Amino acid sequence: GQQVMQIPQYQHVQEGEDFTTYCNSSTTLSNIQWYKQRPGGHPVFLIQLVKSGEVKKQKRLTFQFGEAKKNSSLHITATQTTDVGTYFCAGMKEYGGSQGNLIFGKGTKLSVKP
Amino acid sequence: DTGVSQDPRHKITKRGQNVTFRCDPISEHNRLYWYRQTLGQGPEFLTYFQNEAQLEKSRLLSDRFSAERPKGSFSTLEIQRTEQGDSAMYLCASSLSGSSNQPQHFGDGTRLSIL
Repeated sequence: GQQVMQIPQYQHVQEGEDFTTYCNSSTTLSNIQWYKQRPGGHPVFLIQLVKSGEVKKQKRLTFQFGEAKKNSSLHITATQTTDVGTYFCAGMKEYGGSQGNLIFGKGTKLSVKP
Repeated sequence: DTGVSQDPRHKITKRGQNVTFRCDPISEHNRLYWYRQTLGQGPEFLTYFQNEAQLEKSRLLSDRFSAERPKGSFSTLEIQRTEQGDSAMYLCASSLSGSSNQPQHFGDGTRLSIL
């Protein structure tokens, strides 16, 4: 079945350093969403990417969707302690997928040392 | 602005007991989703509703699990004859429907512990 893989599983950075998490799917995706889950919290929607090669920015966060629509990345510039949490990508199959079955990766847990 | 509400927040029960969780979605959202999340994992899709219709169920959802959304508003998830492996966080999310995926808004979840 469809799988969404994320690497790395954990990332420890010094405050001010950059951070990147990568997401890869075994199948072509119709779109990809990114969520952030703070410790003890619930996933919170960050952004959705739909078009091949799409790049979107939110302040220090840059999201990319690959040309083949099978991979995506989230890059954070100059991390802050408020960036701490687990970042999940979640994708939907382009062909044969349902409108509800969003497949989440295992997430990348980011810790930031002040 | 009220978000997605889940009740209870925590449930501790003995193996073999039945449990029921409730989810109240954002009022204008017609889609409602149930997920299960265990430590170190992403949310795993269980089932989703559009209005009162249950449109998809995951293979993870054994026959001990049943979900309803009778009036297209709140939803309940029942687990019968609970097992140790059912211990997890059960998350509910809601969204609008549309031609493409809509952002899902999650509740705080119900943490189930099976003794």
